[in-house]
Amino acid sequence: AQSVAQPEDQVNVAEGNPLTVKCTYSVSGNPYLFWYVQYPNRGLQFLLKYITGDNLVKGSYGFEAEFNKSQTSFHLKKPSALVSDSALYFCAVRDSGRAAGNKLTFGGGTRVLVKP
Amino acid sequence: DGGITQSPKYLFRKEGQNVTLSCEQNLNHDAMYWYRQDPGQGLRLIYYSQIVNDFQKGDIAEGYSVSREKKESFPLTVTSAQKNPTAFYLCASSRGLAGVNTGELFFGEGSRLTVL
Repeated sequence: AQSVAQPEDQVNVAEGNPLTVKCTYSVSGNPYLFWYVQYPNRGLQFLLKYITGDNLVKGSYGFEAEFNKSQTSFHLKKPSALVSDSALYFCAVRDSGRAAGNKLTFGGGTRVLVKP
Repeated sequence: DGGITQSPKYLFRKEGQNVTLSCEQNLNHDAMYWYRQDPGQGLRLIYYSQIVNDFQKGDIAEGYSVSREKKESFPLTVTSAQKNPTAFYLCASSRGLAGVNTGELFFGEGSRLTVL
């Protein structure tokens, strides 16, 4: 079975400060990891993914995430947050094995509030 | 422009009525999915289809039904057997089949169902 945990329901940060959204995962094999963002009453937008290779992945809108296999983590980061980054962020995982199909398991989401 | 179209955006239903949510994609994707989103619970998989005329139950399929008669279309019916149908429903698609696709999902804008 695969699972994702986002331990923080909400993260508050001042504009211009660094932003971190935490994610830990559990899979039986090697993980494929994803971050999505959701604005109110909208669908999810893809931010970035880790499949293989460099542990530091860069994505859209200045976001990046670091894959840490020993800590089974994939935290999302942005060096300088903007008010427009305020949204709901989801981490997702999929086991790389063929038996897993293409089913993603999502975390519960973390609401980010960036204050001016 | 390519994308996923969900309709209607808002829907109200009386108890005991079935309702069908539409999902159409013009991305030429093989796989399509339906997720349910409730506050604080993230996204939960209802049904998914990796190829035309085939679909599988997800984690919360009870009270729902789907069909996949065309590659472009994956409608979801919320039946009267679904005891708590009020939620935000998201349709998604992805390229390829298991083992070929690395899992990036493209989402529609969602349909909000309210049972009166």
